[in-house]
Amino acid sequence: GIQVEQSPPDLILQEGANSTLRCNFSDSVNNLQWFHQNPWGQLINLFYIPSGTKQNGRLSATTVATERYSLLYISSSQTTDSGVYFCAVEVDDMRFGAGTRLTVKP
Amino acid sequence: EAQVTQNPRYLITVTGKKLTVTCSQNMNHEYMSWYRQDPGLGLRQIYYSMNVEVTDKGDVPEGYKVSRKEKRNFPLILESPSPNQTSLYFCASKRGQNYNEQFFGPGTRLTVL
Repeated sequence: GIQVEQSPPDLILQEGANSTLRCNFSDSVNNLQWFHQNPWGQLINLFYIPSGTKQNGRLSATTVATERYSLLYISSSQTTDSGVYFCAVEVDDMRFGAGTRLTVKP
Repeated sequence: EAQVTQNPRYLITVTGKKLTVTCSQNMNHEYMSWYRQDPGLGLRQIYYSMNVEVTDKGDVPEGYKVSRKEKRNFPLILESPSPNQTSLYFCASKRGQNYNEQFFGPGTRLTVL
């Protein structure tokens, strides 16, 4: 089945810093989504981005489907950005990466 | 507000006592699914449904049942829960099987003693 790899696995930032999270996938996909799992366990939809670039406030994402990767950019990070960020891809069903655990320190 | 709801949000139960976790969506989505999330194993699909009366197994269906009698509801049934089913469960829905954004419920933390 399709493999989804996220990097880095852990990231610690000072408030205000910028970061880039990466998602590599092993085959062509129909869909790609980025989620944020907050400390209470809820999965929040960030981007539905099978290709191209999208921006939403301080967050933006780019998927280059032909090269099988996606990037999530977080600018001017805040403590509320802490949590785990998941990339999920879909061919016949949805497959999640292992996530990047982000800690933003005040 | 468009959403996926799950109940209960937290549940502690004992081995063998049948339980049902409800899931409902108000977006008229055809596709619904259940996932479990475990440390080190990530999110894995349990069952999915492409429409009313159409259900199929995901990666980890053992010990679970589902039904889809109405479009909006997709309950997860544990006939005889065991401690290895202690997990965080998510229900999700989307418009159709492919090419659509999937929306997740708030999660249900289940502990089986």
